[in-house]
Amino acid sequence: DQQVKQNSPSLSVQEGRISILNCDYTNSMFDYFLWYKKYPAEGPTFLISISSIKDKNEDGRFTVFLNKSAKHLSLHIVPSQPGDSAVYFCAAFGNTGNQFYFGTGTSLTVIP
Amino acid sequence: DVKVTQSSRYLVKRTGEKVFLECVQDMDHENMFWYRQDPGLGLRLIYFSYDVKMKEKGDIPEGYSVSREKKERFSLILESASTNQTSMYLCASRPTDSPLHFGNGTRLTVT
Repeated sequence: DQQVKQNSPSLSVQEGRISILNCDYTNSMFDYFLWYKKYPAEGPTFLISISSIKDKNEDGRFTVFLNKSAKHLSLHIVPSQPGDSAVYFCAAFGNTGNQFYFGTGTSLTVIP
Repeated sequence: DVKVTQSSRYLVKRTGEKVFLECVQDMDHENMFWYRQDPGLGLRLIYFSYDVKMKEKGDIPEGYSVSREKKERFSLILESASTNQTSMYLCASRPTDSPLHFGNGTRLTVT
């Protein structure tokens, strides 16, 4: 059973606008959440993370929001740039298993 | 900067062959992982290791085994390759309480 879900397989956004990628999880024991970015033929690269003790973490154009009661996190990219076009994976981690659980990914296309 | 190196970018093997995928990391990380990535399924954990000679099954270990004889090296073995093992294989490592660092992946095709 998929414990981390990304329900939007793809998203297209105009350059300069905001991109919002969403992720839902089911396991309330998860306490650490991450976003990874993946270009074709490359491995995923770490983008930003958030601990469950926070509800927001910001790094430049990237902000991650965590809503623990809804078991939902989102990644905001402002402003979006063509180089942001990639597949984005969210991941969750709980200390009980030493294992990261990944979503199925959202393919973002930023249109110039 | 952390470097995780996978020995092959592309590999083509025949059904029934024994296949070795090698991964080396240069940051003395305790934990190493093997994932496969398939369209629509995301990244699924095959095996991981938290120390030399230690291994734990992930979500999809069937048809695979692993070896970790040295801290820096984690090998994935397909005992008898099958066409449903055609996939992108990703190795990752991490120290405790840190994100995963991934290699560039091995695209394996089994014919």
